[in-house]
Parts: sequence; structure tokens; C-alpha cells
Amino acid sequence: GAVVSQHPSRVICKSGTSVKIECRSLDFQATTMFWYRQFPKQSLMLMATSNEGSKATYEQGVEKDKFLINHASLTLSTLTVTSAHPEDSSFYICSGGLAFYEQFFGPGTRLTVL
Amino acid sequence: EDQVTQSPEALRLQEGESSSLNCSYTVSGLRGLFWYRQDPGKGPEFLFTLYSAGEEKEKERLKATLTKKESFLHITAPKPEDSATYLCAVQANYGGSQGNLIFGKGTKLSVKP
Repeated sequence: GAVVSQHPSRVICKSGTSVKIECRSLDFQATTMFWYRQFPKQSLMLMATSNEGSKATYEQGVEKDKFLINHASLTLSTLTVTSAHPEDSSFYICSGGLAFYEQFFGPGTRLTVL
Repeated sequence: EDQVTQSPEALRLQEGESSSLNCSYTVSGLRGLFWYRQDPGKGPEFLFTLYSAGEEKEKERLKATLTKKESFLHITAPKPEDSATYLCAVQANYGGSQGNLIFGKGTKLSVKP
């Protein structure tokens, strides 16, 4: 199956700093990549959808100036959490879109903001 | 409003005890229904996609079925390694090709030896 990687897998940062998370599709070209967040014992909530070479589309309630998404190539998308605060602590997961709208997910990044 | 409801929230089985997980959905035009498996601290692992009522797909001990209102994930003779959270998601047939998935909260399956 299609493989998606994320880096880093775990990050701890101080409040007010920015954190960048990378999402790569390793064996396919993902014209569309999705970013989700997941709180403990909750399901995945879509944050934004990014298409290569264009601006990301954010879901209602997600601050686009806080969660910066760049889809620089068909295999790389990045999510930058700017001026992170403890309430941004969560599990962030990306996915890459493949044929017939199937999505393949990365392993996730655990962000802890102190 | 598009919605996905999974039941039960948690299911405990003995090894070899077959059962089914339910995913009920309401969506204005179903493009596809997806089943994923998620282990703790990991991203979801793709299992199945179903596109139309009556469709069935199988993989090892798992079998997914779809009706116009719900989907079932049947687990036959489960093993402890099948323990995980099983997520159901639907994709609506609107909004272009963005492919937004709407997830249920999942069913946490525990299989005891």
C-alpha cells in the first residue's frame, strides 16, 4: 500500500515557539494532502486540505495564521504551528490522497507544548 | 448534517469469538465509506473502501459490508493482534475532489487470549 511518513514523531516545545511538522508521501504522488488533529479518546478532525502549488483550505474554526500549511511538491506538505500554546498539544496526523479518493495516513506527530 | 456514529464504543472479545462492529451514517450523497484500523499512538491504517450498497470486501479475518444506512465490520475468530480501534469514515459526493473524510469516534476492540 501507499506509504506516508511524518517527521518528527514526537516534539516537546515551550509556549510561544513555532513547530514544523513534515509529511511525505514515499511511494506515490499526492496531489492532495490532508491535516488532522486528534485529541485523546476522540476521533480525527480535519484541519485543512492542501493541494500542491496552491493555498490550503481550512476547516471552519481552524486559524490559518496559526496553522501554516505549505504543499511545496507532490510528495511534501508541512504544517507549522506558530506561537504554540498548551492548548495546541495534540496528535497531528497527515494523509495523502490517492486514486478514487482513498487517503493513506502518516504515523502521526505527538506535540506537547509546555 | 453529515454524521457518522459507531457502536459499540468498546468491545471485549475472547480469542475466537466472532462479532460485528457497526457504523451508521447520514450523508447527502455517499461517495465512499472507509474502514481504518488505528493502534495507540499511530496513524490510521487503511483497511477497506466501499462505494455502493450491497458491496462486500474481505481481508483475512475481516469482512466489511455496506447498506444505504450503515456498514458492518465482521471479525471472524479474532486473535489478540486484532486488538485496536477501528474507525469508520464517509466521504460525501459533493465539494469537488477534495475528498474530505468525516470520521466516527471509533470502536475500541480488545481480544483476550
